Order: sequence, then C-alpha cells, then structure tokens
Amino acid sequence: GQQVMQIPQYQHVQEGEDFTTYCNSSTTLSNIQWYKQRPGGHPVFLIQLVKSGEVKKQKRLTFQFGEAKKNSSLHITATQTTDVGTYFCAGRDRGSTLGRLYFGRGTQLTVWP
Amino acid sequence: SAVISQKPSRDICQRGTSLTIQCQVDSQVTMMFWYRQQPGQSLTLIATANQGSEATYESGFVIDKFPISRPNLTFSTLTVSNMSPEDSSIYLCSVMWQGETQYFGPGTRLLVL
Repeated sequence: GQQVMQIPQYQHVQEGEDFTTYCNSSTTLSNIQWYKQRPGGHPVFLIQLVKSGEVKKQKRLTFQFGEAKKNSSLHITATQTTDVGTYFCAGRDRGSTLGRLYFGRGTQLTVWP
Repeated sequence: SAVISQKPSRDICQRGTSLTIQCQVDSQVTMMFWYRQQPGQSLTLIATANQGSEATYESGFVIDKFPISRPNLTFSTLTVSNMSPEDSSIYLCSVMWQGETQYFGPGTRLLVL
C-alpha cells in the first residue's frame, strides 16, 4: 500500500542554522503538501506542489518536488525560534480515492536561541 | 478557507464510558476526515466521512468502536466507545477544501483513566 516516509524524525538546530526535512513515497504522487504543527496546535497547510521538479518559496522556506514525483523536501534557511514545530509532508497517490492524503511521520524541529 | 470548531476541546473520562466529539465547519464540504494523534506522533487516519454514505474506516479501526455520523455537509461526530487508557490521544477532524488541501480542527484532547 501507499507509504510516505519522512526523515529525520527529530532535528535540533541553533538559531541561524539551516534545516531540511525529506519525504519519500513508495509510489508516484499526483501532488504533495506540507503542513506545520506548532506545539500544542493543529496541522496548518503550508503549500502544495503538483508539477514534476517544481520548486516553490515562501520567504525562508523552499519546497521541492522531485522529477519522478516520488520525493520532496522542505528547506528552511537561517532558522528562527518561530520555526519550532513539527513539519509533515502528505502525498496524494496518483491512483487513490479523491481526497485521501498519506501523511509522513513528521520532523520535529527544535531551534535553540 | 474553512473554519472548523471541535467540541469538547479536552476531556477526562473513565474507562468503559463513551465520548462523542463534534466537528462543525463554517462551509459546506463533501469530505471530512477523523484522525488520531498520539503526543509527538504522526496523524493516523481513523475514517473518511462523506455526507449521505457510510463512513469508510481504515485498517485497525471499526465502526463499533468509533461510530461516526455525518448528518449534513457542515457537521460530523465521532464517538469513542467503551474507552480504555489506550484511547487517550488527540482526535482531529479535518475537511477537504476545494478538492485540494485539508484544514484541521483544533483537536480534542482525551485522557482516559
């Protein structure tokens, strides 16, 4: 069945350092989405990537979708304490039922001031 | 975007009892989802609830334990039946917005003693 794997599970960085989390799917995806969950909060949608090789930026965040549409990454440049939280990728299988997203296990980011 | 509210926000329950969680959306949506999230863990899909049809449960979840209602396009309930301490978790409802992204409710934090 569909699986979305995400690494690393935890990442601790000093404020100002960069951070990257990686997502891999066992099957080709129609799109991939990224969510952020602050401590004590609920997941909040960040962005969706649809095209092969697509790159999108949101300020210090850069999102990439692989050429084969099976992997993705989120890179944060010069982390800040406000970046603390868990980042989830979620993929929609090309052949899956409409709406069904498969979430990775998430990467929990801690930023030391 | 969709605004989602959940009731209760948290509860402490005795084992053997049942709790019904309500999810209200400010817009009509076709697809609603119920997730469970253990502290520090990823999101586990319990079931998909579409209005006018029976909920579709994921492997490991059964209707007798987690009955779901979806009486209209803006409301759903999830009942956690015959609770045990292992049911202690955060329960989140979410909706599929315009067929693309998911918006999550604030969650219900459940502790079973």
